[in-house]
Amino acid sequence: AQKITQTQPGMFVQEKEAVTLDCTYDTSDQSYGLFWYKQPSSGEMIFLIYQGSYDEQNATEGRYSLNFQKARKSANLVISASQLGDSAMYFCAMMDALNFGKGTSLLVTP
Amino acid sequence: DAGVTQSPTHLIKTRGQQVTLRCSPKSGHDTVSWYQQALGQGPQFIFQYYEEEERQRGNFPDRFSGHQFPNYSSELNVNALLLGDSALYLCASSRGDGPYEQYFGPGTRLTVT
Repeated sequence: AQKITQTQPGMFVQEKEAVTLDCTYDTSDQSYGLFWYKQPSSGEMIFLIYQGSYDEQNATEGRYSLNFQKARKSANLVISASQLGDSAMYFCAMMDALNFGKGTSLLVTP
Repeated sequence: DAGVTQSPTHLIKTRGQQVTLRCSPKSGHDTVSWYQQALGQGPQFIFQYYEEEERQRGNFPDRFSGHQFPNYSSELNVNALLLGDSALYLCASSRGDGPYEQYFGPGTRLTVT
């Protein structure tokens, strides 16, 4: 069975600063995928970034990057140059049948 | 290009009743997954449909059932509603031929009284 753990219930970051949201996972599969989603207060889940277990490079998508450490089974999301609109819940998830963590609430302050 | 759509947006039902939620996938997607998200929690996987068959199922009772139509749209049915079924129900679509990201709809907020 796959399991996702997000240990930070809430995080604060000042506008324009970088922030790291932690995610650890547990799986016996050799091939797997890790995803990060953003959920604003409106409720819709927005895909941010994907990392495959065999990808040699850490994934990047604009201001989002994934710090993937396979040996440590961690897949932390790094948001650079935070913006007020980044305030939301962030979920780490894993294939198959996306198993989600409990999420981290990020608040970006002016 | 329309994204994932869900109907209705909000729904209020009484304990013991039955409910049907609907989802239309993003154009080009053939796989639909359903999730239940209780307040303050992460989404919990209910089941996934591909080629009109239930491909995977999470830890939900048989009161939760689904269907996928030839046009890839899907329904989630919940029988004998309990107060604990009150949640945001999210539908997500994806391509079934790889580990592609799932695109989510806006959700249906179900309240059971």
